[in-house]
Amino acid sequence: GNSVTQMEGPVTLSEEAFLTINCTYTATGYPSLFWYVQYPGEGLQLLLKATKADDKGSNKGFEATYRKETTSFHLEKGSVQVSDSAVYFCALSLMNAGNMLTFGGGTRLMVKP
Amino acid sequence: EPEVTQTPSHQVTQMGQEVILRCVPISNHLYFYWYRQILGQKVEFLVSFYNNEISEKSEIFDDQFSVERPDGSNFTLKIRSTKLEDSAMYFCASSEVIRYGTEAFFGQGTRLTVV
Repeated sequence: GNSVTQMEGPVTLSEEAFLTINCTYTATGYPSLFWYVQYPGEGLQLLLKATKADDKGSNKGFEATYRKETTSFHLEKGSVQVSDSAVYFCALSLMNAGNMLTFGGGTRLMVKP
Repeated sequence: EPEVTQTPSHQVTQMGQEVILRCVPISNHLYFYWYRQILGQKVEFLVSFYNNEISEKSEIFDDQFSVERPDGSNFTLKIRSTKLEDSAMYFCASSEVIRYGTEAFFGQGTRLTVV
């Protein structure tokens, strides 16, 4: 079946630190890969996505590269801010499964000033 | 910016009661989804809906659950006889088309508490 594994949190960083949240996947086909973010009290928002191998998704200073050889889609940011504190979800979808999303467990990021 | 809206934001119900969770997807979207997240666990797919019928459903989506698009704007999830283990955050989502890499837009969720 399809599954997504991401590092457990919480991840606590100081402002301006470098962030990596690891995500690996298994899929029965060729998936699209996503990072969603959930800020406190809000719903899930798409942060970035990539649809084929070696594609890099980027948004708001966050980046993730679709690595087919390692089945990974790690999220990185060079310098985090307090406002980045949120829960981050890695997910995949397959078109032959109606684009339903399979999520990882979520990683809570806390950034301290 | 268009958004998916869900009501209510929080619902408390007694075990065995029926609940209806409501969603208004983005107006030009054609595909609708329900997901749920039990506290501390993964976000899980429940069901997808297109052209007035269920297109995919998970094993969680048993006979106690049903979905409906009663008019041109609302999309509802009904739980017929709630159990304690149905307590969760329920997210509605919609997408415009089914294409490779199409993103889904999520609502803010309804927190269902069964007592």
